[in-house]
Amino acid sequence: KQEVTQIPAALSVPEGENLVLNCSFTDSAIYNLQWFRQDPGKGLTSLLLIQSSQREQTSGRLNASLDKSSGRSTLYIAASQPGDSATYLCAVRLAGGSEKLVFGKGTKLTVNP
Amino acid sequence: DTAVSQTPKYLVTQMGNDKSIKCEQNLGHDTMYWYKQDSKKFLKIMFSYNNKELIINETVPNRFSPKSPDKAHLNLHINSLELGDSAVYFCASSPPRAHGELFFGEGSRLTVL
Repeated sequence: KQEVTQIPAALSVPEGENLVLNCSFTDSAIYNLQWFRQDPGKGLTSLLLIQSSQREQTSGRLNASLDKSSGRSTLYIAASQPGDSATYLCAVRLAGGSEKLVFGKGTKLTVNP
Repeated sequence: DTAVSQTPKYLVTQMGNDKSIKCEQNLGHDTMYWYKQDSKKFLKIMFSYNNKELIINETVPNRFSPKSPDKAHLNLHINSLELGDSAVYFCASSPPRAHGELFFGEGSRLTVL
């Protein structure tokens, strides 16, 4: 059974700091991995999608990496801003054409001005 | 234009009542989902439909009945509501599997009293 773990559960940093959020999964047979952000009382916004054949994806100040063999992904946020404060979730899509995403419990990020 | 829209956004009701949540997507996607986010913010899949056909039913009580009148709509009907049904319910959609990125609605917060 696929399990997704995100560490730390919460993180507080000063503005301007570079930071890394971690995601690990128990079964390396995944189709892809997706990072989302969720603002309080809002839905999930897709940030980056990495296919199983890819090693990383970049969008602006965000960089996500994937090491499928070790079951790990990281989300790197450069020059953090207070507007980055949110909960960040990673989710893996199971291999074999499954439509099912398995989510981690998220990392709550607070960027202090 | 909202890509995935859900109504109502908030729903407060008494135990034992029957209620429905509606979802519509204008992205032209074939696959739609219902996810439940509990009080601990853990997000778990409930149902998935592909082109109006049920493809995932994740051990959800049969008091929950999804209905997809067409591939742009996926509604969730809940009978005999219980206290434990209180949660935020998210609708999502995705394009064909080759891409697989999920797009979420803003959620419907259900409170059962």
